[in-house]
Formats: sequence, C-alpha cells, structure tokens
Amino acid sequence: EAEVAQSPRYKITEKSQAVAFWCDPISGHATLYWYRQILGQGPELLVQFQDESVVDDSQLPKDRFSAERLKGVDSTLKIQPAELGDSAMYLCASSFSGGEPRFFGPGTRLTVL
Amino acid sequence: SQQGEEDPQALSIQEGENATMNCSYKTSINNLQWYRQNSGRGLVHLILIRSNEREKHSGRLRVTLDTSKKSSSLLITASRAADTASYFCATVLQGAQKLVFGQGTRLTINP
Repeated sequence: EAEVAQSPRYKITEKSQAVAFWCDPISGHATLYWYRQILGQGPELLVQFQDESVVDDSQLPKDRFSAERLKGVDSTLKIQPAELGDSAMYLCASSFSGGEPRFFGPGTRLTVL
Repeated sequence: SQQGEEDPQALSIQEGENATMNCSYKTSINNLQWYRQNSGRGLVHLILIRSNEREKHSGRLRVTLDTSKKSSSLLITASRAADTASYFCATVLQGAQKLVFGQGTRLTINP
C-alpha cells in the first residue's frame, strides 16, 4: 500500500540551529500539507501546496520557517533558527484534492534544546 | 485556531464495551472526518461524512452528523485493546479546502 514517507523520524537540535524535514507524498497526490502537532493537541496546518504552488501558508511563521515543493512532488520544510517552542511533531500529508481525506506520514519528532 | 472540540478529552473503558466520542464545531462545513493516531505516530483516516449525510458505518465504526446542532459522534462497538489511541475529528469548512482538527479524545481500552 502506498504511503507518505518522511525523514528523519527524530531530530534533536540546539536552539538557533537550522533543521530541515523531508516528505515524499503518495504518487499522484497533487496536494501536500505540512502540519505541526504540539503534544496533547490536534495538528495545525502550517502550509498547503497544490502541485508546486503554495495555496495556504497563513499559519507559517515566515520569519523562521520556509517550505518548498520545487517539482511538485517531494517537499522540504526548514526552520532557521530553531527555538525552544518549535519542539513538536511535524506531520506531512497528501491527498488527491483539498477537501478529501489526508494520508499522513509517520511524522518527524523535533526536540529543540 | 481549532474549530472542533472533542468530548470527553479522555475515555477509559473495558475491552468489549462500546466507546462514544463527540465532536462539536462552530461554522458550516462541507464534510467532517475522523482520524485515529496511535502514540507517537501519524494519523490514519477512519471515515468521512458529508454535510448532507446523517449517518455512516464502517466495520465497527458508526459516525453520526447533526448539522443543526453542529455536532458529530463516533461510536466504536465491541472495543479491542488495539483501539487504544487518540481520536480526532476534523472539519472541512464550507467554501474552503482547509481541514481543521479538534484537540482529540484519548481512548484507553483495558483488557
């Protein structure tokens, strides 16, 4: 069964360092999402791509976060510099279209020390 | 910001019993989706119910939707230890493609 791939699964970094997360969606899924999930809460959307274009990045802290999906397939989310409050699970998901069910990857658990 | 609120926040029952979780939301929706998340893992889609549907079944899952009360419920019948997880409702707002998650219900099934 096709799955969304994410790497790394775990990342520990120090405050002010740069980190990057990678996501490979299910083949054929044009819509890709990055979510942040703080422990004990539901996921919150950071950025949504339709092919290579950003369609929603209203909740992305653009002073330190950036996301790209250059060829409309895989995607990278970067944080620079990382802050203590960025410690969370970062989830990537994909879907055929915006209103349909998301298929989530296993996530990257980020710990900022 | 989160649109849905799940109730209860945590639920602990014995294996074999039924588990019911509720979700309330604030604005008109296109559809409502339920997801399961095992500890430290990604979310798994369980079921989608559209705004013009009132009830949907999938195996041991039964979802209801009351748009007049802006609420939904998820019933898991004959619970198993493997059902232990967090369950989230998520809504697709009318006129938008954004999926907004609630805070989740932590379900524990005791053997």
